[in-house]
Amino acid sequence: DAKTTQPNSMESNEEEPVHLPCNHSTISGTDYIHWYRQLPSQGPEYVIHGLTSNVNNRMASLAIAEDRKSSTLILHRATLRDAAVYYCIPHGSSNTGKLIFGQGTTLQVKP
Amino acid sequence: GAGVSQTPSNKVTEKGKYVELRCDPISGHTALYWYRQSLGQGPEFLIYFQGTGAADDSGLPNDRFFAVRPEGSVSTLKIQRTERGDSAVYLCASSFGQVGNTEAFFGQGTRLTVV
Repeated sequence: DAKTTQPNSMESNEEEPVHLPCNHSTISGTDYIHWYRQLPSQGPEYVIHGLTSNVNNRMASLAIAEDRKSSTLILHRATLRDAAVYYCIPHGSSNTGKLIFGQGTTLQVKP
Repeated sequence: GAGVSQTPSNKVTEKGKYVELRCDPISGHTALYWYRQSLGQGPEFLIYFQGTGAADDSGLPNDRFFAVRPEGSVSTLKIQRTERGDSAVYLCASSFGQVGNTEAFFGQGTRLTVV
C-alpha cells in the first residue's frame, strides 16, 4: 500500500485560503489521489479526487504534482465549518481498492 | 436520497457477549467497507466487499470478527466474545463504480462500548 505523509496539524484564519500538503512518493501509477475530511463526531466525508490533472469542485481544489509524488488540497476561503481532520489517500487497484486512512491533518480555523 | 445507514447508533455490551452491527449502503452501490476508529486515530480498515464476496478481509484483527453481505446490499459485522479493547466507533461506507475513480459515502457509525 502506498504510504502518505501529512503534517499533524495546521491553523488558518477564517476566510483565508488553506493549502494542505500530502506526500505520497510511493503511489502506484494507476492510483487516484483521494481526500476525505472528518468533522468532530461525524463519519468521514469525501472532498475531492484526481489522477494527474488538477481538479476543482464546489468544496475545494486539488493540485497534483507533475511526478504525482505529492498533492495539495486547497480550500479557497476557510470557514469555521472547515475545521476537521483531512486525510489524503491513494486509492486504486494497487491496494485492492480499499481506502487506507493515515493520521491526517487536523485543521483549526480561527475566527 | 438516503445515505449510508448504520444501526444501532450506540451499543453497550458486556465483555464476552456477541454483537451484530448492521450497515445499509446506498442502493446500487457494489462496494462496501467496514472500519473501526478509536479516539484520536484515523479509521482502521477491517474488510471490503465487492458485491457479495469479501474482496479484502486483511484488516480483521482476529477470528472473533466476521462480516457478511449475503445479497450484495446490507452487511452485518459480527463480533464474538467481545473484549474491552473492541470498544470503538465502527464505520461503514459504500461506493459505486470503478475502483479508485469513485467516492465513498460513510455512515455516522456505531459506537460500541464493551464493559
